[in-house]
Amino acid sequence: ETGVTQTPRHLVMGMTNKKSLKCEQHLGHNAMYWYKQSAKKPLELMFVYSLEERVENNSVPSRFSPECPNSSHLFLHLHTLQPEDSALYLCASSQELTGGLGSGANVLTFGAGSRLTVL
Amino acid sequence: RKEVEQDPGPFNVPEGATVAFNCTYSNSASQSFFWYRQDCRKEPKLLMSVYSSGNEDGRFTAQLNRASQYISLLIRDSKLSDSATYLCVVPDTGGFKTIFGAGTRLFVKA
Repeated sequence: ETGVTQTPRHLVMGMTNKKSLKCEQHLGHNAMYWYKQSAKKPLELMFVYSLEERVENNSVPSRFSPECPNSSHLFLHLHTLQPEDSALYLCASSQELTGGLGSGANVLTFGAGSRLTVL
Repeated sequence: RKEVEQDPGPFNVPEGATVAFNCTYSNSASQSFFWYRQDCRKEPKLLMSVYSSGNEDGRFTAQLNRASQYISLLIRDSKLSDSATYLCVVPDTGGFKTIFGAGTRLFVKA
């Protein structure tokens, strides 16, 4: 496997369910991200991890809980979600957290996404 | 002013046409810029990086105007396969947040 893989690709859950999204990157990158993409809205950054340490929690409700057990894996645990949480959840990775001009180290590579529907 | 602003379109153009999109950004200190392409129900993929005044890759040309704080993407000889949403992306200068525009939709028709 190459690149960034996400599972499941589609998920339907009730508001009382607990589920998890999984992301794995095979690029040797040091930074990983969760983004949310809702219809007709820009991508919203949710969480950022660098070398397994969370460096950003972008005012995300506690019903979303990230986990990064190692630099290749990232999870998003979901609990008591609301219908408005239905969206495409995209995982991304970059070589480094920031990049010098022209280095390309901060270029994001995305996974195919997990499309979540909350009933 | 939004951090990154794009004309949402849609742009409807015939095959072979030349089309240009603009993107304005608010942070005058921004140094690097990217254009990503996102196909329907797919993930965004890097199309071009822009670090200096511009960049060219085949039919695609990106130009940067620092004085007016905008970048443009020019597509020449449009193909049906160019139909997608084009995202303007500006990394945050202070850290690691990458700001995405809402995207410009392009439809190329036969």
